[in-house]
Amino acid sequence: GDSVTQMEGPVTLSEEAFLTINCTYTATGYPSLFWYVQYPGEGLQLLLKATKADDKGSNKGFEATYRKETTSFHLEKGSVQVSDSAVYFCALPNDYKLSFGAGTTVTVRA
Amino acid sequence: GAVVSQHPSRVICKSGTSVKIECRSLDFQATTMFWYRQFPKKSLMLMATSNEGSKATYEQGVEKDKFLINHASLTLSTLTVTSAHPEDSSFYICSAKTLAGYYNEQFFGPGTRLTVL
Repeated sequence: GDSVTQMEGPVTLSEEAFLTINCTYTATGYPSLFWYVQYPGEGLQLLLKATKADDKGSNKGFEATYRKETTSFHLEKGSVQVSDSAVYFCALPNDYKLSFGAGTTVTVRA
Repeated sequence: GAVVSQHPSRVICKSGTSVKIECRSLDFQATTMFWYRQFPKKSLMLMATSNEGSKATYEQGVEKDKFLINHASLTLSTLTVTSAHPEDSSFYICSAKTLAGYYNEQFFGPGTRLTVL
């Protein structure tokens, strides 16, 4: 079935640093792609999404572009804050459910 | 909009007892709800898919008699962990799909931390 692979980390950064989390997908078609974020002790929140090739999803300073030529959906933020410390999951629909990546733990230090 | 709640947020129980976790869609109707389990520093493991008015569909390896799921209405699904044991201790998260809006988008609850002593 369709799946995603993401870099696992953990990633530790200083405030205002640039963040990239790589995500690549394997799919028979062109599924929608999602990034979810999980803050400590909480459930998942949808961070951003893209529904077709070349779409760019963006939210809270994060961006990801759906690139079919490289089958990628990398998450980026230009200047991270301590409050961005969380676990980030790449995901795509797989039949009736979502397939998640392994999750990337990001820690931002002041 | 699209808020999902879970209750309780934390529960501690003795080995051998049963625990019920509720998942509610507060401002939308959900024909489908999902139950996940998450181990520390791990990704989410889908346990089962719950459709309103019908039996839940369990993923391979999940004991349906141990993890009872009921989806009695378009806004409520419950997960009951029967005869809980310490190895059932985990973070349980539910999610729900909306009837309207983007078909494949799921909205997640805040999770329930279960500790079995």
